[in-house]
Amino acid sequence: DTEVTQTPKHLVMGMTNKKSLKCEQHMGHRAMYWYKQKAKKPPELMFVYSYEKLSINESVPSRFSPECPNSSLLNLHLHALQPEDSALYLCASSQGWGQREKLFFGSGTQLSVL
Amino acid sequence: AQKVTQAQTEISVVEKEDVTLDCVYETRDTTYYLFWYKQPPSGELVFLIRRNSFDEQNEISGRYSWNFQKSTSSFNFTITASQVVDSAVYFCALSGSMNSGGYQKVTFGIGTKLQVIP
Repeated sequence: DTEVTQTPKHLVMGMTNKKSLKCEQHMGHRAMYWYKQKAKKPPELMFVYSYEKLSINESVPSRFSPECPNSSLLNLHLHALQPEDSALYLCASSQGWGQREKLFFGSGTQLSVL
Repeated sequence: AQKVTQAQTEISVVEKEDVTLDCVYETRDTTYYLFWYKQPPSGELVFLIRRNSFDEQNEISGRYSWNFQKSTSSFNFTITASQVVDSAVYFCALSGSMNSGGYQKVTFGIGTKLQVIP
């Protein structure tokens, strides 16, 4: 099983809503990531979890709240988002977190904030 | 600072043509890794290849080949006899020094959108 599964695939939410994005991997990977990708741009790193602990927060606004309940799951809780937060949100995992690690990506959640 | 430049933002080719996607990088690190990822319309980025800075051997995998030249800081990707299924956005990426958290900092290029026309 070399998949990273993300749900939902599409999400439309209002600026006052609270929603969550979910990500799951069963490859035994020790690092998990959230990336944000705007149209025609490369992915931008948001958060890194290693061994279920938050290792990196790339100065992401607090309206995005990550959570890693266990080694296979990664959530991104959304609250009071802005229209400019509309983007493709990609989850990724890697076996470790060194230079040589290749990333395994999910197919993303396309988020629209109205 | 790391930088990855993919000067070709969009390329269109007719099926069965060969196409080369260019990637030029900048880094002060002596040890680093280069990657290519493919992002089809379905959204997920798919790993294609990884190269470390000490291995300048070119690689071929089926219709795909990669040319790593340290002297010109380039890591170009060639698709031979392109097919419609090759239509995607291709990202070149560089992984260099670790940041203070011990995490590899990956820098992606802006991507090259390849359209293969039947």
